[in-house]
Amino acid sequence: LAKTTQPISMDSYEGQEVNITCSHNNIATNDYITWYQQFPSQGPRFIIQGYKTKVTNEVASLFIPADRKSSTLSLPRVSLSDTAVYYCLVGEESAGNMLTFGGGTRLMVKP
Amino acid sequence: SAVISQKPSRDICQRGTSLTIQCQVDSQVTMMFWYRQQPGQSLTLIATANQGSEATYESGFVIDKFPISRQNLTFSTLTVSNMSPEDSSIYLCSVEDLAGTSGEQYFGPGTRLTVT
Repeated sequence: LAKTTQPISMDSYEGQEVNITCSHNNIATNDYITWYQQFPSQGPRFIIQGYKTKVTNEVASLFIPADRKSSTLSLPRVSLSDTAVYYCLVGEESAGNMLTFGGGTRLMVKP
Repeated sequence: SAVISQKPSRDICQRGTSLTIQCQVDSQVTMMFWYRQQPGQSLTLIATANQGSEATYESGFVIDKFPISRQNLTFSTLTVSNMSPEDSSIYLCSVEDLAGTSGEQYFGPGTRLTVT
């Protein structure tokens, strides 16, 4: 499984756009990139998944360059409630695929 | 989507005892996963539990220490046996979303275990 590297922590202010970059230099052809969000005292929650280029949903955008060796999760206009740990995962999109969590990025949104 | 509940939500146990954690899903699922999250750390997969077969354990985890049962398609239990303070962690179960995005898993709220 491809290993991921993310910043340990980030600070931001309400209303700002936050971009969290994840490096995955050894990503394989069949690997997808998935991001999870975890609030304190809760289990992780799926945010977004992509293979290449750009994916957008109601929560976030995911930018993946052509070489797919990195990806950037973009959170528009964050609020205090976006304070959480964000995990970048890389793995095959297949049934029964276990998730391998890296260290995650602890985002602190300040007023 | 799937809604997952876990019991107990938290417990304080004495070393040498065992605790069984229950995971209940509101829909039938083939695969269930058990994770451990030590304080301030990321999640580590303990084992994968398929209905009708023995659980598959990850490196560093053994059945004698973490026996898992998969009673039916909506329920599983994880037992933490002969506990020591090092077992103090949050234990989470998750299920795979077979109807939606591949790779997406739904997690329970976790069971916070403290061993004294």
